Amino acid sequence: GAGVSQSPRYKVAKRGQDVALRCDPISGHVSLFWYQQALGQGPEFLTYFQNEAQLDKSGLPSDRFFAERPEGSVSTLKIQRTQQEDSAVYLCASSDGTETQYFGPGTRLLVL
Amino acid sequence: DQQVKQNSPSLSVQEGRISILNCDYTNSMFDYFLWYKKYPAEGPTFLISISSIKDKNEDGRFTVFLNKSAKHLSLHIVPSQPGDSAVYFCAATSPGAGSYQLTFGKGTKLSVIP
Repeated sequence: GAGVSQSPRYKVAKRGQDVALRCDPISGHVSLFWYQQALGQGPEFLTYFQNEAQLDKSGLPSDRFFAERPEGSVSTLKIQRTQQEDSAVYLCASSDGTETQYFGPGTRLLVL
Repeated sequence: DQQVKQNSPSLSVQEGRISILNCDYTNSMFDYFLWYKKYPAEGPTFLISISSIKDKNEDGRFTVFLNKSAKHLSLHIVPSQPGDSAVYFCAATSPGAGSYQLTFGKGTKLSVIP
């Protein structure tokens, strides 16, 4: 079946611009996670949804970051007033409630 | 403070030989561990996992060993193949404590030489 998909795959934004990153999880997966991966580092947790409920947003680095999953499937990660330090790969993962998470290809964000 | 550490940034192995990738953790609440493989410009791909109630899990050419007392796990790949060349990430989570987020190491880049 189809895996996790993310769009866009690449995004170039000017500093101060707002961006929206989309994640389509594996069909039927109740859990959805967002991670941020800086160059040369492992992914770092941002936030977690179970269905439409955001159960953990402890990893969001600032109030410029906002995530939603209104109908319990597709999720959007929004970054307002982007800064250069927001440049990273943003990864989405989903799971069926077990410990194993399946990742999408990521969105590479470059803020100029 | 890194809770999951992969102290070898890179590893080179001859094709057909064994690759051993190591991972250490500090958080004793972690009770489930996973290995992911990542190719450039792709997302991490799940390889194999192990629960803290086990000390070994095997899947084909891949075996993960867990030493809870040493807070150490390792991934063995045998025999290594050129297609195994990728970055390998160790990850840990604590579902027993109600936390499902993965904490990753920085990765080890494996190069398998034909």
